[in-house]
Amino acid sequence: NAGVTQTPKFRVLKTGQSMTLLCAQDMNHEYMYWYRQDPGMGLRLIHYSVGEGTTAKGEVPDGYNVSRLKKQNFLLGLESAAPSQTSVYFCASSYARGGNQPQHFGDGTRLSIL
Amino acid sequence: DQQVKQNSPSLSVQEGRISILNCDYTNSMFDYFLWYKKYPAEGPTFLISISSIKDKNEDGRFTVFLNKSAKHLSLHIVPSQPGDSAVYFCAASARETSGSRLTFGEGTQLTVNP
Repeated sequence: NAGVTQTPKFRVLKTGQSMTLLCAQDMNHEYMYWYRQDPGMGLRLIHYSVGEGTTAKGEVPDGYNVSRLKKQNFLLGLESAAPSQTSVYFCASSYARGGNQPQHFGDGTRLSIL
Repeated sequence: DQQVKQNSPSLSVQEGRISILNCDYTNSMFDYFLWYKKYPAEGPTFLISISSIKDKNEDGRFTVFLNKSAKHLSLHIVPSQPGDSAVYFCAASARETSGSRLTFGEGTQLTVNP
């Protein structure tokens, strides 16, 4: 029972490089989310999706793009990485809308931009 | 603006005693409040939640109290165990038409000493 799987777990990039973070869930969840966690700031929502083919901006979307071509996958892209994007990125999914449907998180991707 | 705030970055308690973690919020539209626990190098895992129409929810050693008039909630862990040592995040979900977005607090590092 994998739940939410994030790939890769670690990555070091140079400023200006691009990359894509992959999130896959096997729980048939409709909703998926990308967060970043920075020291002393908790988790902040970057983008989210309420179903296949849909995406929406969260609290800190600048510099990121996302795609949800398949229900089970949610991709986060950095087109031109900047040192300010050094962070730990978490993907999450939930079955339905509503606070009584807890989000399930992956184990994170630690990204360093030099 | 920080809509969910955890003012204590850290808390240390003795094994067997009570741990009380606090959280304050400002948005009156929040209708669900959740607590997540996070171990190092892992994603947050859901612990317990409470609806805004309730003032208490209990699950084993964990109880969450909600004081709507004060916009304050707390998580009580009794008795505390060394395995409870982790970062605890308070999160809130607002009534809205799309998604089930969570707003997180900064987190509190709980250390339970044997």
